[in-house]
Amino acid sequence: QQQVKQSPQSLIVQKGGISIINCAYENTAFDYFPWYQQFPGKGPALLIAIRPDVSEKKEGRFTISFNKSAKQFSLHIIDSQPGDSATYFCAAPFGGSNYQLIWGAGTKLIIKP
Amino acid sequence: DTGVSQNPRHKITKRGQNVTFRCDPISEHNRLYWYRQTLGQGPEFLTYFQNEAQLEKSRLLSDRFSAERPKGSFSTLEIQRTEQGDSAMYLCASSYRGKLFFGSGTQLSVL
Repeated sequence: QQQVKQSPQSLIVQKGGISIINCAYENTAFDYFPWYQQFPGKGPALLIAIRPDVSEKKEGRFTISFNKSAKQFSLHIIDSQPGDSATYFCAAPFGGSNYQLIWGAGTKLIIKP
Repeated sequence: DTGVSQNPRHKITKRGQNVTFRCDPISEHNRLYWYRQTLGQGPEFLTYFQNEAQLEKSRLLSDRFSAERPKGSFSTLEIQRTEQGDSAMYLCASSYRGKLFFGSGTQLSVL
């Protein structure tokens, strides 16, 4: 059974601080690593994704860092805002489609004003 | 384009009853996915369709579960003889050009 291990389970960060969430995977069918953001009562929404022809991808305040040899990738949020408070999931593809994903258990992020 | 639509949003049923959920993907999205999510966990893949063809089914999808996508448009997920362990959020998603879009899910409670 493929696994994606995500840490920490929960994270409290002061407004303006840096939030860091880590993921480790075993094997993947495709090189595609997304991060999803989920608010209560809503489905997950794609936040940012990386294809590891690069080791880092930045979109606004969000950055994915990828270490292929260690099979790890992480999400960094700089200048964290209260509106970033949500549950974040990393995922990795395991089947015949990029979106046949196995997911981490999630990190509940709380940004304190 | 109003996004992926799922109905109903909530369903409460008694153990042993059958339930059916509907998903309307974003138009022109040829791939449609079903996931299940329990509280405090990430979604678990159930099955996916390319147009009307069901290409993959998870071992989680027991013979009590059946999904269809007639004509490659909307999809239905039916659970027969529901059990308390089926209580979860059932999420539908569709994909196009490298992005996966989720609906808000159907929350199933089996009493």
